Amino acid sequence: KAGVTQTPRYLIKTRGQQVTLSCSPISGHRSVSWYQQTPGQGLQFLFEYFSETQRNKGNFPGRFSGRQFSNSRSEMNVSTLELGDSALYLCASSPRGSTGQEHYEQYFGPGTRLTVT
Amino acid sequence: TQLLEQSPQFLSIQEGENLTVYCNSSSVFSSLQWYRQEPGEGPVLLVTVVTGGEVKKLKRLTFQFGDARKDSSLHITAAQPGDTGLYLCAGGRYGNKLVFGAGTILRVKS
Repeated sequence: KAGVTQTPRYLIKTRGQQVTLSCSPISGHRSVSWYQQTPGQGLQFLFEYFSETQRNKGNFPGRFSGRQFSNSRSEMNVSTLELGDSALYLCASSPRGSTGQEHYEQYFGPGTRLTVT
Repeated sequence: TQLLEQSPQFLSIQEGENLTVYCNSSSVFSSLQWYRQEPGEGPVLLVTVVTGGEVKKLKRLTFQFGDARKDSSLHITAAQPGDTGLYLCAGGRYGNKLVFGAGTILRVKS
């Protein structure tokens, strides 16, 4: 099976701009989660989507949003970029099912390195 | 507030040495996972433990889940340079998001 793919791998943006990141999960996985990773804060959960619905949400401002399509592919959008948004953004898919009771094993993509100048 | 405390934060050892990384919490988890991340890549799942007291082995790596399901440890025997990386523990609760520890950076020198 192909792994999780993320595009683009690297991105440089200017403060105030917006950005859209894309993620294709492992075939058959319907749960997709997004994380932000920085040296200071570590791995922080942004949100999880399952069957096109947001199922869990982390503590990030409304500038961070996401969506999931019927083929389970997901996008996340960050509007009005700030310098502090510079980070590695990781997407992970999971075989976690509809009840959410299964163990939440994450299969990560390589990430998108976002630099805000 | 970090719900999962990992220690040590950094570890630099010689090839062939043994080491243990700890992951502690005051909360109970339904499962505990360990990941390894190399520079420029996403974390890779190593193991999931779900039963209190459970021990799992993956070649030279031994993972243990505490009896009360609040803590876990990762022991590496005869470390090799290929073990170098960031080790992350993550606690899961049914229906909720995973909680990640801050990670342990391991460097194995040859």
